[in-house]
Amino acid sequence: DVQMTQSPYNLAASPGESVSINCKASKSISKYLAWYQQKPGKANKLLIYDGSTLQSGIPSRFSGSGSGTDFTLTIRSLEPEDFGLYYCQQHNEYPPTFGAGTKLELK
Amino acid sequence: QVQLQQSGAELVKPGTSVKLSCKASGYTFTSNHMNWIKQTTGQGLEWIGIINPGSGGTSYNVKFKGKATLTVDKSSSTAFMQLSSLTPEDSAVYYCASGTTVALFDYWGQGVMVTVSS
Repeated sequence: DVQMTQSPYNLAASPGESVSINCKASKSISKYLAWYQQKPGKANKLLIYDGSTLQSGIPSRFSGSGSGTDFTLTIRSLEPEDFGLYYCQQHNEYPPTFGAGTKLELK
Repeated sequence: QVQLQQSGAELVKPGTSVKLSCKASGYTFTSNHMNWIKQTTGQGLEWIGIINPGSGGTSYNVKFKGKATLTVDKSSSTAFMQLSSLTPEDSAVYYCASGTTVALFDYWGQGVMVTVSS
């Protein structure tokens, strides 16, 4: 199985700041990387797929980059609703596998 | 809008089975694959398997073969996952998640907590 390593584990920031979360695959997954947001009491949300394609309805302050083994999720001008958990997931091959998550907290 | 409504929390005894449900609305049930995903503090998110609601065809993560059985009822737009021979290691939050593309999870249910304890 493809191992996904996310960093950092925790991230503290203030509204208005920009942050980046990294995800590294144990082997090349081409462009097939997705990002999800998880918040208590809400359904998990697909943010980005194919490395950089924004899911419909997701604000443009979210962006993704990378290919091969190294990927980054960037959130510009953080809004209060952006704080929560973020997971990467490779969708290149079966079984799909997830990173361990990054907790984005209010500073 | 797309909604996946999962059944309520379960407290079950070791050695027994449990059947979880996921009722879909807001889209044509047979047009999207349905996946099941396990979340624990220790192992994180793990993909269990996928079912094609139209054909009933399934594919499982090797790790969960024999543990999980996926089915659907097209008449009620509901997907089911049965977990058998439960042990404390099966205690987790289980999600259903639908997708138009295999291995991608466009929409998620709210999750259901299963606790295996005597």
